[in-house]
Amino acid sequence: ETGVTQTPRHLVMGMTNKKSLKCEQHLGHNAMYWYKQSAKKPLELMFVYSLEERVENNSVPSRFSPECPNSSHLFLHLHTLQPEDSALYLCASSPTTRTGGNEQYFGPGTRLTVT
Amino acid sequence: KNQVEQSPQSLIILEGKNCTLQCNYTVSPFSNLRWYKQDTGRGPVSLTIMTFSENTKSNGRYTATLDADTKQSSLHITASQLSDSASYICVVSGGTASKLTFGTGTRLQVTL
Repeated sequence: ETGVTQTPRHLVMGMTNKKSLKCEQHLGHNAMYWYKQSAKKPLELMFVYSLEERVENNSVPSRFSPECPNSSHLFLHLHTLQPEDSALYLCASSPTTRTGGNEQYFGPGTRLTVT
Repeated sequence: KNQVEQSPQSLIILEGKNCTLQCNYTVSPFSNLRWYKQDTGRGPVSLTIMTFSENTKSNGRYTATLDADTKQSSLHITASQLSDSASYICVVSGGTASKLTFGTGTRLQVTL
């Protein structure tokens, strides 16, 4: 394991459900990220948090709502999703948000299926 | 527009054979380039990182090369093993505070 855990690993939800994805990092990092990985597409950055403050929101629909209660935990709250939201959702962390020399450590992902 | 293109999209090789994966990028300014390995059902794991001044870097049977002039990188895998079956993602960083630009990956399958 890379020190970043995600739960659940698999999630099937209907379009009217509300669910949450959880990410926890044990690396003492200050930055955390949510990515969406769809088949045959590059990873899409969704949100960036630095010291619990959201520093980036890449035009993500409001049906995705992130929460970062502390620098070790990150949540992604989901509601009224669409079938095209089915994807692998990856959480990552890094020492800071500076990309030069800063490796991002990824969790195993949550495979989300919206029915 | 910053882009990272990888080829081939997928590759099947016999165990023990070598292979080379390609990455072309248009990210500017350039800071560094990473190759990640992503096993099925797992998150990506970094294999190598290369800065502007580095031409080659090895990590066991993995050797990455970088030509900053032509904006090309390659990942060479020597004596492939079944455990090398995975997606390999090229990721370019364009500055100290910029976003990472990800390629779509090459899906490698090593067979007996």
